[in-house]
Amino acid sequence: KQEVTQIPAALSVPEGENLVLNCSFTDSAIYNLQWFRQDPGKGLTSLLLIQSSQREQTSGRLNASLDKSSGRSTLYIAASQPGDSATYLCAVLTTDSWGKLQFGAGTQVVVTP
Amino acid sequence: DGGITQSPKYLFRKEGQNVTLSCEQNLNHDAMYWYRQDPGQGLRLIYYSQIVNDFQKGDIAEGYSVSREKKESFPLTVTSAQKNPTAFYLCARSMLVGGELFFGEGSRLTVL
Repeated sequence: KQEVTQIPAALSVPEGENLVLNCSFTDSAIYNLQWFRQDPGKGLTSLLLIQSSQREQTSGRLNASLDKSSGRSTLYIAASQPGDSATYLCAVLTTDSWGKLQFGAGTQVVVTP
Repeated sequence: DGGITQSPKYLFRKEGQNVTLSCEQNLNHDAMYWYRQDPGQGLRLIYYSQIVNDFQKGDIAEGYSVSREKKESFPLTVTSAQKNPTAFYLCARSMLVGGELFFGEGSRLTVL
């Protein structure tokens, strides 16, 4: 069964610093990987979707990379702002568990002014 | 609302009672999902549906039931058989299974 891990569970950075969030998975037979943001008490907001054939995906200050062979994805957020404070979750869809997206527990980020 | 609406936002239930959570989408997407979120844990899939009148169990389906009689609606019933129902429930949609997921705002269920 696919296992998805996000380390660290929490981090705090000063405003302006670049954020680097990690996601690792055990089964490299993935279909796609999605990054989400969650604010307290709210639903998830989709940030980026990377297909298995892609190496990276970019949207504004966000860039996500995918390395299937090492079982890793990294989300980079450039020039962090206090509004980036949230929990970030990654989720993986594996080809042999169709429809069953597996989530990591998330990384809680605090950006201090 | 991102094209998907959950209601109610908060609800309370006495032990032994069934409760139904509503999920409606207005973007004509085929696939809909129900997830459960507990503090400090990732989301866990309860059920998903690829098309009308079809649904598949996820990893934690015991004590839950769903229906998909209309494309836009995918209600979740938390039955009295669910041993630990207090949680945050999230509904999601995607154009097709395997596509990008979009979530609703969630429903927080508390069992008294």
